[in-house]
Amino acid sequence: GAVVSQHPSRVICKSGTSVKIECRSLDFQATTMFWYRQFPKQSLMLMATSNEGSKATYEQGVEKDKFLINHASLTLSTLTVTSAHPEDSSFYICSARGASSPSGGNTIYFGEGSWLTVV
Amino acid sequence: GQNIDQPTEMTATEGAIVQINCTYQTSGFNGLFWYQQHAGEAPTFLSYNVLDGLEEKGRFSSFLSRSKGYSYLLLKELQMKDSASYLCAYTSGTYKYIFGTGTRLKVLA
Repeated sequence: GAVVSQHPSRVICKSGTSVKIECRSLDFQATTMFWYRQFPKQSLMLMATSNEGSKATYEQGVEKDKFLINHASLTLSTLTVTSAHPEDSSFYICSARGASSPSGGNTIYFGEGSWLTVV
Repeated sequence: GQNIDQPTEMTATEGAIVQINCTYQTSGFNGLFWYQQHAGEAPTFLSYNVLDGLEEKGRFSSFLSRSKGYSYLLLKELQMKDSASYLCAYTSGTYKYIFGTGTRLKVLA
């Protein structure tokens, strides 16, 4: 079964509003969570890495004020897309790793992904 | 760039064997991963290699040569449901996963 759960799977929001996506690790403590963005037929682009209790580390070119990441607990990280625009429409995927995961920490597990459409 | 390359597309016939190659360059290396991703879905874990050699798991096998910066995923007895993108990724020390662009495999009847 799934070890990482992501919600919502699909969301439509109006331009200028904010939308929050949740990523939860099930049955293990996710010391590190990753957020990716993927455009159709393209690879996963790492947006940021977050360690529990610390500020997220953003990749170059990713606006930290626009993509707010919170990793307040060992099982939950959230990505908030603020002041969304149509160009933010994409597939957003989280992943998590931790020593107590089924792989013992060597493997990241992906959430189901969230399709965001900004209209 | 991220210095990881794999072919963009491959086509194979049902029942056949296909090998998807991946080359990478990194100063630090913590493991090489293969993921399968069906269109519109999140990737699912297939294999992990950290030492040189072949890891076999049912119809799927993965090979790694650290000295050559090379890996391949071998799929045997191809089935239609194997049509998907296959992503290779490496990690270097901080568990930051760097993904290739993915290889879209099309299995024909």
